[in-house]
Amino acid sequence: GQQVMQIPQYQHVQEGEDFTTYCNSSTTLSNIQWYKQRPGGHPVFLIQLVKSGEVKKQKRLTFQFGEAKKNSSLHITATQTTDVGTYFCAGCLIKAAGNKLTFGGGTRVLVKP
Amino acid sequence: DGGITQSPKYLFRKEGQNVTLSCEQNLNHDAMYWYRQDPGQGLRLIYYSQIVNDFQKGDIAEGYSVSREKKESFPLTVTSAQKNPTAFYLCASSLALDTQYFGPGTRLTVL
Repeated sequence: GQQVMQIPQYQHVQEGEDFTTYCNSSTTLSNIQWYKQRPGGHPVFLIQLVKSGEVKKQKRLTFQFGEAKKNSSLHITATQTTDVGTYFCAGCLIKAAGNKLTFGGGTRVLVKP
Repeated sequence: DGGITQSPKYLFRKEGQNVTLSCEQNLNHDAMYWYRQDPGQGLRLIYYSQIVNDFQKGDIAEGYSVSREKKESFPLTVTSAQKNPTAFYLCASSLALDTQYFGPGTRLTVL
């Protein structure tokens, strides 16, 4: 079945530094979505990428979808303590069964002040 | 105030008992989903439903059952057949081919 892998599993970042988390799918995706889950909370949608090679920015967050639509990345610049949480990517295949997402294992981000 | 609600937030049950988790949405979304999250892990799909009176098994459906009698509601029953039921259960809803909106979750502990 489809698998979505995320690396790294944990990311310890000094406040003010940049980091990148990566997402790789075993199969070609129709789109990829990113979610953020704060400690003790529930996942909240951040963004969706649909086109091959697409790049989208949200303030200090930059999301990229690979040319082959099998991988994606999230880059955060000038990390702040509010960035703490787990970032999940979720891949979607267009199937007759509808919008079924396969989530990656997540990257847990800890920020050192 | 639109949204997706889950109740209760915390639930304790004795081993061998069935328990039903509630999920309600007033977003007029067609699709609804149930995920299980274990500590430090990602989300695993239990069941999903695209329309009323229809649902499909996800990746870890064994020991769980669902119903979709109304568009707004998608309750999940954790049966005694589920070997390791203690987990954080998340319900989500979406329009077709769109993003998923998650409820606040129910933390189930089986004693």
